[in-house]
Amino acid sequence: DTAVSQTPKYLVTQMGNDKSIKCEQNLGHDTMYWYKQDSKKFLKIMFSYNNKELIINETVPNRFSPKSPDKAHLNLHINSLELGDSAVYFCASSQDRGRGFTDTQYFGPGTRLTVL
Amino acid sequence: GNSVTQMEGPVTLSEEAFLTINCTYTATGYPSLFWYVQYPGEGLQLLLKATKADDKGSNKGFEATYRKETTSFHLEKGSVQVSDSAVYFCALRQKTSYDKVIFGPGTSLSVIP
Repeated sequence: DTAVSQTPKYLVTQMGNDKSIKCEQNLGHDTMYWYKQDSKKFLKIMFSYNNKELIINETVPNRFSPKSPDKAHLNLHINSLELGDSAVYFCASSQDRGRGFTDTQYFGPGTRLTVL
Repeated sequence: GNSVTQMEGPVTLSEEAFLTINCTYTATGYPSLFWYVQYPGEGLQLLLKATKADDKGSNKGFEATYRKETTSFHLEKGSVQVSDSAVYFCALRQKTSYDKVIFGPGTSLSVIP
């Protein structure tokens, strides 16, 4: 069974379009994340949600909007796509039990976004 | 602020060679430290972790020891295989609620037969 799944795996689109990436985890975790990985493999956190509440919101253009309908899902919607948005986007989840406890992050397989 | 520095790659080794990938960090207090591995075309997965000073994390023949005095968490393996070819990320996380994980830039390893 897939722990963290993302759809689609590949996304090719034109500049200016709006697109969404979906993420689901079946691990029962409370916290989910979106990361962007550039062509040099550098990984940058974008957002984090805990029980549907936004808890980390890095400096990301407001064209990017996360949505968490329930704690098992965290979707990423991107408006007015730009060339610089081309990257691999990873969803992840973890079970955070509060102060004094840190846990492993489980990553999805990634969505490779190409903006033409 | 918190940060993680890794040795730059790419690193190319012959099969059965000894591997060291250096990792140093800057953080207040005692963060948890991690090594994640990313195989080609896949997401990251945890390789090993250590949560306090002098702890040694180990998995699949890889080891790393949490050194508070040198703020380091170097990854080692005594004999690499072709299947170890991947990108390796050192990371840290403070032991407070909802703190983000800070990843290093990644080190690409290629093992040739």
